[in-house]
Amino acid sequence: GAVVSQHPSRVICKSGTSVKIECRSLDFQATTMFWYRQFPKQSLMLMATSNEGSKATYEQGVEKDKFLINHASLTLSTLTVTSAHPEDSSFYICSAPDRVSGNTIYFGEGSWLTVV
Amino acid sequence: KQEVTQIPAALSVPEGENLVLNCSFTDSAIYNLQWFRQDPGKGLTSLLLIQSSQREQTSGRLNASLDKSSGRSTLYIAASQPGDSATYLCAAFDSNYQLIWGAGTKLIIKP
Repeated sequence: GAVVSQHPSRVICKSGTSVKIECRSLDFQATTMFWYRQFPKQSLMLMATSNEGSKATYEQGVEKDKFLINHASLTLSTLTVTSAHPEDSSFYICSAPDRVSGNTIYFGEGSWLTVV
Repeated sequence: KQEVTQIPAALSVPEGENLVLNCSFTDSAIYNLQWFRQDPGKGLTSLLLIQSSQREQTSGRLNASLDKSSGRSTLYIAASQPGDSATYLCAAFDSNYQLIWGAGTKLIIKP
């Protein structure tokens, strides 16, 4: 069945390096992918919305040059955290609606990023 | 393995009514439980976050409760309005630091 596969589930990277998180839609085409971030004890917050083949739309306060989103195909969207800092350590999760099934929303499993 | 279930899958009520959405989870070892709404074609909107040590949270016409011992959370919406029509999702942050989602309740408020 339709799912969104997200990986890595956990990643530790050094400060100043870049890390990529991938979300793949399985058994459906994800024309839209939502990317969220959640800091401990805080609510999930939308970072950006990406549409296949076009530039992502970022929420206010989210640095688009730091959080690069690529949605080059209907089944893959990636979030790259560039020049990571410890304050970027957070839980990142993606979700995509399946337009064919009436916009059923599928979520990735989430990725824990720790920047040391 | 944590499972989150939302009942009902869909609900249609007349405007002005109070209503309750239900969310149940199988493993009481959660860090928090969150309620969101999703409008068609848009991202999630965070509504309420209840930490595991809390019993309820309120925001405007919304009240969410959490009973870990019974594995249940409810979202109470008072004096419903057509603008409340959306899909409501609950999600539990479990002991493996994973966010486990319910399938959602599609709510329609009829004018």
